[in-house]
This record gives sequence, C-alpha cells and structure tokens, in this order.
Amino acid sequence: GAVVSQHPSRVICKSGTSVKIECRSLDFQATTMFWYRQFPKQSLMLMATSNEGSKATYEQGVEKDKFLINHASLTLSTLTVTSAHPEDSSFYICSAREKGVLNYGYTFGSGTRLTVV
Amino acid sequence: GQNIDQPTEMTATEGAIVQINCTYQTSGFNGLFWYQQHAGEAPTFLSYNVLDGLEEKGRFSSFLSRSKGYSYLLLKELQMKDSASYLCAVSGVFSGGYNKLIFGAGTRLAVHP
Repeated sequence: GAVVSQHPSRVICKSGTSVKIECRSLDFQATTMFWYRQFPKQSLMLMATSNEGSKATYEQGVEKDKFLINHASLTLSTLTVTSAHPEDSSFYICSAREKGVLNYGYTFGSGTRLTVV
Repeated sequence: GQNIDQPTEMTATEGAIVQINCTYQTSGFNGLFWYQQHAGEAPTFLSYNVLDGLEEKGRFSSFLSRSKGYSYLLLKELQMKDSASYLCAVSGVFSGGYNKLIFGAGTRLAVHP
C-alpha cells in the first residue's frame, strides 16, 4: 500500500531557530500534500494544503511566513517552522493524496514531535 | 465554516459494543472517514463512506446518512487495545478550491475490563 515517510520523528530545538520537517511519498505520486498540527488531547487541525509546483494554501489563522511550505516535486513536501517559539511545540503530521485517486487515499506520515525549549 | 461534532469521551466494557456518533455540516462533501489514533502516533485508517448505508469490516462498521449529515462508527467485541481516540473526518472541496480532509475533535474511548 501507499507509504508516506516523515522525518524527523522527534526534534528539540532552541527558541528562535528554524526546523525543517520532510514528508515523502515513497511509492506513489502525491498531487496534494497536507500539513496538520495537533496539540495534546486535541484533534488534527489542518494548517495548509500544498500542490506540487504551486504556492501552498494556508488555513485561516496560520501564519504563512512562519510556517513555510515547499512542494518541489510530486514526492516531497517540506514544512519549515521559522523562528520557533515554545508555543510552536506540537505534533506535526503530513498527509498525501495519490495522484489520480479522487476521494480515497489519504495516507498519513508517522508525525513529528517538535519541542521548542 | 465547517462543523464536525462528536462526543469528547466515551467508556465501555471489554467484550461490549460501542457506537460513536458524528454529525457534520460542511459546505462540501465527497466522503466521510473514520480513523483510530493512539496517543503520540499518527492516525490509522478505519473506514470510508461515500454512499448512504452501512460498511462492515470485521469488528468495525461505519454508517452514513448524507441527508442527515450523520455517521457512526460501531465497534463490536471490544478489546482493551481499542482504547484510543476515534476521529471523524470529512473530505470535500472547501475554501481554496482543493479537496481536503478536515477532522472533528475526536472521541477518546476508554475500554475497561
């Protein structure tokens, strides 16, 4: 089945630094990739949708200059948390939709636990 | 805006049956998903409904009524390992013109011996 690889699984960084999270579709082409954030005991909140070769679409309330998304190819999307602060500490999860599969086929990465100290 | 509601917490006994309800009001719809999520892990796919009716898959079944904006997930023969959060999610074209998946707040299920 479809596999999405997300790295790193855990990262600790100092306040003010930037962190990059990668999301790769290993055995399929991902037309669209999604980035979610999840705080403890809360559900997944969609942050942005990225389509290969075009700018990401951000959800209301998500700062696009703080959360930089690049979807340079059909198999790779990256999320960079810039100038991270402790309140950015969260679980970040990517999801990819397979090209040509309309409504089925959202595959999730294993998530990245970000801790900003 | 989009609205997906489900109970926050439920408890049940090992071996029993539990039904987790989900109601939704969204501007678009092309399918409803149920996911299971254990703490600190990514969600895992359980079921997908796009037409009205019941979809059965082993101990798990999911029902959809599009006219009522209602779905439920039915878990039979509960096991301790079923203690997890269950997420209802709706797929559709909402703002931005792209098909996307949005989640309800999740239901934390605790299974007791």
